Amino acid sequence: AQTVTQSQPEMSVQEAETVTLSCTYDTSENNYYLFWYKQPPSRQMILVIRQEAYKQQNATENRFSVNFQKAAKSFSLKISDSQLGDTAMYFCAFMRASGTYKYIFGTGTRLKVLA
Amino acid sequence: NAGVTQTPKFQVLKTGQSMTLQCAQDMNHNSMYWYRQDPGMGLRLIYYSASEGTTDKGEVPNGYNVSRLNKREFSLRLESAAPSQTSVYFCASSGGWGTDTQYFGPGTRLTVL
Repeated sequence: AQTVTQSQPEMSVQEAETVTLSCTYDTSENNYYLFWYKQPPSRQMILVIRQEAYKQQNATENRFSVNFQKAAKSFSLKISDSQLGDTAMYFCAFMRASGTYKYIFGTGTRLKVLA
Repeated sequence: NAGVTQTPKFQVLKTGQSMTLQCAQDMNHNSMYWYRQDPGMGLRLIYYSASEGTTDKGEVPNGYNVSRLNKREFSLRLESAAPSQTSVYFCASSGGWGTDTQYFGPGTRLTVL
């Protein structure tokens, strides 16, 4: 069975600084998708970035980028130029690309951006 | 285009009461999902519907039932609420079975006394 681990329950970063959130996963699959979702205090789950496992190139979305290390089964999220609005819970999620298309979520990292 | 909507936003029940959480999406998505979120545990899948007319159990289905009313709507029913069902419930949808990105509703905070 697949598992997703986020080993940092809480983190903080100064505004305008860079922060990296860690995520590791365990799977025997070769094809899959990985996601980072943001959950601000409003509770809404917002997709931040996604990565297809068959793509070697790391995904980027504006200030958000990932470091995808397939062999190490690691999928970290880097937030550059942190803003107060980035304060939120961040969840890493895994989905197989075949068979059952269900998400497996990590337990989340609470990020606080300090002014 | 409202995306995924859920009603109600908040609900308080007494043990043994029943209720139905409603979810609707206007993105013409085929697949829909119900999750619960508990502190320190991320989101866990309760039930899902890969397509209209089908439903299946997820990771934590006990105490719940679902109905895929039509392509747009997917409801979650608690027949006899228990304090262990106190949680935040999220509905999500995705384009189809095998498509990846899921889009989430705003959630329902349910308290069972």
